[in-house]
This record gives sequence, C-alpha cells and structure tokens, in this order.
Amino acid sequence: ILNVEQSPQSLHVQEGDSTNFTCSFPSSNFYALHWYRWETAKSPEALFVMTLNGDEKKKGRISATLNTKEGYSYLYIKGSQPEDSATYLCAFPHQAGTALIFGKGTTLSVSS
Amino acid sequence: DGGITQSPKYLFRKEGQNVTLSCEQNLNHDAMYWYRQDPGQGLRLIYYSQIVNDFQKGDIAEGYSVSREKKESFPLTVTSAQKNPTAFYLCASRDRDATNEKLFFGSGTQLSVL
Repeated sequence: ILNVEQSPQSLHVQEGDSTNFTCSFPSSNFYALHWYRWETAKSPEALFVMTLNGDEKKKGRISATLNTKEGYSYLYIKGSQPEDSATYLCAFPHQAGTALIFGKGTTLSVSS
Repeated sequence: DGGITQSPKYLFRKEGQNVTLSCEQNLNHDAMYWYRQDPGQGLRLIYYSQIVNDFQKGDIAEGYSVSREKKESFPLTVTSAQKNPTAFYLCASRDRDATNEKLFFGSGTQLSVL
C-alpha cells in the first residue's frame, strides 16, 4: 500500500493569517492529486484535482501547486477566515482508474 | 437535488450481528466507494465498484461485504467477522472510476458496538 503523507497534522492560526500545508506522495507513476475539504458535521468536498507537473489551481483564497517530479503538493490559504476551519485531505490514486488513497489530513483551526 | 444519501446516521451493532449501511446516489455515477475512518487515521478503502454487478476489495475488506445490483445503490454489510467495526463510514461516488474525476461524498454513518 502506497502512502500519502500530510503535514502538519494540525494547525491553529489567527484570522487574517496566511498558511500552507504539504502533501507528499510517491513520485513514480503519477496520475492525479486530489485535495478535499472536510468541515465538521459536513461531507468532504473536492477543492482541486491536479494532473500536470507545475499545475497551479485557485479557488477564492485557496490555491494549490503540484510538483510531480519530487512528489509534493502545497495548499495555500491566504488571509484565513474562521469558515476555513476544516480538515484538508489530499488523495492519490495508486493506479490509473482505481480508488483514491487518502492522507490523514491537516486540521486547520482559525480563531477570530 | 442530486447527491448521495447514507442511512442511518447512527447505527449500533450487537456482538455477532450483521448490519447493513445504506448508500444511495442520484448523480447517475458509475463508480461508488466505501471508506472507513478511525480516529487519527486517514480514510481507508473498504470496497469499490466501477460498474453495476462488479466490485473490488479495497485495503481493508475483511469482515465486510457489498453488492451492486443497481447503479444508484451500493450497500455495505458489516459482518460478525469484523472484530472492530466501531468507526465512521463514508460512501462516495464519481462519474467514472478515473484518476482525474473528483469524488462526491455522503454524510456518513457512525457505527458503534453495544
């Protein structure tokens, strides 16, 4: 079983701070890298699906970058707000057309 | 509204009992998945189905069984062989089992052992 590693495990920031998390994955046989946000008492929701080395994706104040050669992706949140508090999951398919392997997530808490 | 419905939200199992978790989707998705979450762990894959009448074991399939008789339904049975069933179970689906397709998730079922 291939592993997807996320760091840090948890993070607490103040409103307005910018922050970033890391997702590390095997760099061989890369197919895609997914980011999901999971708010308490809700279902996980997809943020980004990234497929190309050097990809950068943005959704509002959240953005992500991808380096497939070295096997990592960064998720950035600019000007964190309390509503950004959630667990952020990254996931990686270990074979084409098969289910995703998830990391343990980074839990972000934003205080106002 | 299209989505994935899991029921029940909470379920209690007695020792030696089989219980079934329901997952229904009206998104017309071909692929469906069951994941389990334990505290401090990531989501772990139990079973998945790429198409009706077909399914594959995931990383932790022992003690579980599934069926996929209809496109919209993918029930998970937790059998008495699963010795540590207490966990949060998430069902997901996507249009097809392809690496660049995002997952849509249900709201989950919390299973506890009495």
